[in-house]
Amino acid sequence: EPEVTQTPSHQVTQMGQEVILRCVPISNHLYFYWYRQILGQKVEFLVSFYNNEISEKSEIFDDQFSVERPDGSNFTLKIRSTKLEDSAMYFCATTIQGLNTEAFFGQGTRLTVV
Amino acid sequence: GENVEQHPSTLSVQEGDSAVIKCTYSDSASNYFPWYKQELGKGPQLIIDIRSNVGEKKDQRIAVTLNKTAKHFSLHITETQPEDSAVYFCAASGGFQKLVFGTGTRLLVSP
Repeated sequence: EPEVTQTPSHQVTQMGQEVILRCVPISNHLYFYWYRQILGQKVEFLVSFYNNEISEKSEIFDDQFSVERPDGSNFTLKIRSTKLEDSAMYFCATTIQGLNTEAFFGQGTRLTVV
Repeated sequence: GENVEQHPSTLSVQEGDSAVIKCTYSDSASNYFPWYKQELGKGPQLIIDIRSNVGEKKDQRIAVTLNKTAKHFSLHITETQPEDSAVYFCAASGGFQKLVFGTGTRLLVSP
């Protein structure tokens, strides 16, 4: 069973620090996404990425956030200056095609900003 | 934009009973409706999905129904087992860019 792998599983950071969350997509998948889930709340879309550029982003995904696929394998989410309210589970997801196909989610990275 | 409402927020059933979770969506352009199961500490996992050209889909003990006119869709789990206990999320998508999730239903199946 192919799977999406995320690292680290848990990250604790000081407010104002930069964090990078990493995701290894399923090898033949072409569309990549980041979602977040604040504790006890629903999963929220952050950004979608295809062909090395952002396809769509939500209002949450402001200038403090960025994504890239620097080496053709890892897909990263960077938060430049973390805030307390960035504390959440961050999920990477991938799809083989964009149009309404199954999204495979990673196990998530729990980010705690203190 | 799309908005997905889900209820109930919590559902407790006895093992062997059926469980039904309902969702409504707002955007008539949405045409893909997956259901995800999330166990503690794990990412969401797809359990069943339905597209707008189909009214019902079944996979063993799990079924999903879709009413496009009323803009609602439901998950039905029959013969529930304790291992079905988890949080279930519905979602809707009108294109390939993103899923809009419901607020989740915590299902507890008691032996």
